[in-house]
Amino acid sequence: KAGVTQTPRYLIKTRGQQVTLSCSPISGHRSVSWYQQTPGQGLQFLFEYFSETQRNKGNFPGRFSGRQFSNSRSEMNVSTLELGDSALYLCASSIQGIVDTQYFGPGTRLTVL
Amino acid sequence: GQSLEQPSEVTAVEGAIVQINCTYQTSGFYGLSWYQQHDGGAPTFLSYNGLDGLEETGRFSSFLSRSDSYGYLLLQELQMKDSASYFCAVPNRDDKIIFGKGTRLHILP
Repeated sequence: KAGVTQTPRYLIKTRGQQVTLSCSPISGHRSVSWYQQTPGQGLQFLFEYFSETQRNKGNFPGRFSGRQFSNSRSEMNVSTLELGDSALYLCASSIQGIVDTQYFGPGTRLTVL
Repeated sequence: GQSLEQPSEVTAVEGAIVQINCTYQTSGFYGLSWYQQHDGGAPTFLSYNGLDGLEETGRFSSFLSRSDSYGYLLLQELQMKDSASYFCAVPNRDDKIIFGKGTRLHILP
């Protein structure tokens, strides 16, 4: 089976802009979770989608949003970018959700200037 | 609060055994997972403990003690390719998943 894919792999934006990241899960996985990874805070859970519905949400501001399509592909959007949003954004897919093994994609490296 | 504590760095010699500890404090507990992440790579799943005791997968083993809110990852016959960061992770009652800050494993030849 093909693994989790994420596009784009690298992105440079300026403050105030918005960005959309895409994630394609492993075939048959209905859960997609998003994470932010920074050197200071480590891996932090953003939210989880299952069958097109957001089931869980981490402690991030409303500027961070997402959605999931009927084919389980997911997008994450960050509006009004701040310098502190520079991070590696990882998505992971699983069969049942966050209590299940997470299969991570390679991530999108976002740099905000 | 909810947190997972693990050492920031551990150094060991090639061929040796190393243990990476993780203590947790969470609301509700569904199990402890371990992930490996090489520089520039994505985290990959290593092991899961839902019940107390030892789980063995090849050179890697993981242990859990729910009464002590403690677990560890044991890596045997260390190889240079094991140089990576290792994260423990716990899903909690609030339907969130919490990761430790990661332990950077350095292996000396």
